[in-house]
Amino acid sequence: AQSVAQPEDQVNVAEGNPLTVKCTYSVSGNPYLFWYVQYPNRGLQFLLKYITGDNLVKGSYGFEAEFNKSQTSFHLKKPSALVSDSALYFCAVRGVSGAGSYQLTFGKGTKLSVIP
Amino acid sequence: SAVISQKPSRDICQRGTSLTIQCQVDSQVTMMFWYRQQPGQSLTLIATANQGSEATYESGFVIDKFPISRPNLTFSTLTVSNMSPEDSSIYLCSVEYENTGELFFGEGSRLTVL
Repeated sequence: AQSVAQPEDQVNVAEGNPLTVKCTYSVSGNPYLFWYVQYPNRGLQFLLKYITGDNLVKGSYGFEAEFNKSQTSFHLKKPSALVSDSALYFCAVRGVSGAGSYQLTFGKGTKLSVIP
Repeated sequence: SAVISQKPSRDICQRGTSLTIQCQVDSQVTMMFWYRQQPGQSLTLIATANQGSEATYESGFVIDKFPISRPNLTFSTLTVSNMSPEDSSIYLCSVEYENTGELFFGEGSRLTVL
């Protein structure tokens, strides 16, 4: 079965500094990887995905993620953090659900706080 | 992207009652899913809502507790039956749009059971 690990419950970063939110995964076959963001009292919003191609994927709001096959990682990055980036971030991997259909398995989430 | 509307956005319910959550999508989609997000937790897939047939449930979830309907390709409902405080969660409808592998989510329905 597939799994996702987000080793940090919380990441604090000063506004204007670069940020990284870590994610490692385990899945059979080629990985389909995703990042989602959840603002308070809101649903999840898609940020970016990796399916194939360049290891550096660019997404919404200036975020990017680097796929590293040897380290089975898919860390989310942004060169300069904004206070408005403060939210809960989920990494996800596509695999096969227990019922046999393709599904996303989510990490536990990392709370990002950008300090003014 | 798909626009997904969920109702109710939040509700407070009494133990032992049932609540039905509706999910409406602005376009026809093949795959619709229901997730649960318990307080401070990640998302857990409850079931895949299949159009015209019974939903496919994940381990730990059963039809008697979480009956699901999907009468057409744009609408689904999830009922949380015989609720207890442990059912207090955010319930999220999601769709896979145009076989992209991306999931789009509704705003969620925040349920509190007293």
